[in-house]
Amino acid sequence: GDSVTQMEGPVTLSEEAFLTINCTYTATGYPSLFWYVQYPGEGLQLLLKATKADDKGSNKGFEATYRKETTSFHLEKGSVQVSDSAVYFCALSFMDTGRRALTFGSGTRLQVQP
Amino acid sequence: NAGVTQTPKFQVLKTGQSMTLQCAQDMNHNSMYWYRQDPGMGLRLIYYSASEGTTDKGEVPNGYNVSRLNKREFSLRLESAAPSQTSVYFCASRSGVAGSEQYFGPGTRLTVT
Repeated sequence: GDSVTQMEGPVTLSEEAFLTINCTYTATGYPSLFWYVQYPGEGLQLLLKATKADDKGSNKGFEATYRKETTSFHLEKGSVQVSDSAVYFCALSFMDTGRRALTFGSGTRLQVQP
Repeated sequence: NAGVTQTPKFQVLKTGQSMTLQCAQDMNHNSMYWYRQDPGMGLRLIYYSASEGTTDKGEVPNGYNVSRLNKREFSLRLESAAPSQTSVYFCASRSGVAGSEQYFGPGTRLTVT
């Protein structure tokens, strides 16, 4: 079956540090890839997405590139802020009727210290 | 435009009690989903509805039933709650357009004692 693997957290960084959260996937076919963010006490919000190989998704200073060769979709940000502290989920989905639901990674908690 | 709404926000049940979690979306989306979130496990799909009138099992359907009441509403029922069903439950919806994202509700935190 399809699966998503993320680096374990928590990841603790100082403000203005560089962030990378690794994400790799296993799937039959070519899924769409997503990063969702969950702030404390809230639901999930889409951060960025990419629908085909070599696409780069970007939003709020975060970016991730869909790499088919390495089946990866790593999340990066050049300079994190305290307000970026949250749990980040990598996910995939297809357009097939039976596989439209998201398959999530286990999430990576990011803590940014001032 | 409220997006995806869920009720209740919090609920405590005793083992064996039943309850229904409600979800509604006002975005005219075709597909709706129920997930549960447990620590260290991400979100796991319980049931989904690809369109009005259809429902299908996801990864962890045991102990749950669903109803797609109409295009807007998708409810999740626990007939006889068990402590293993203590979790945070999220409803989501999606338009069905290629590559479209899912929109999530704020979640229901359920504790079964």
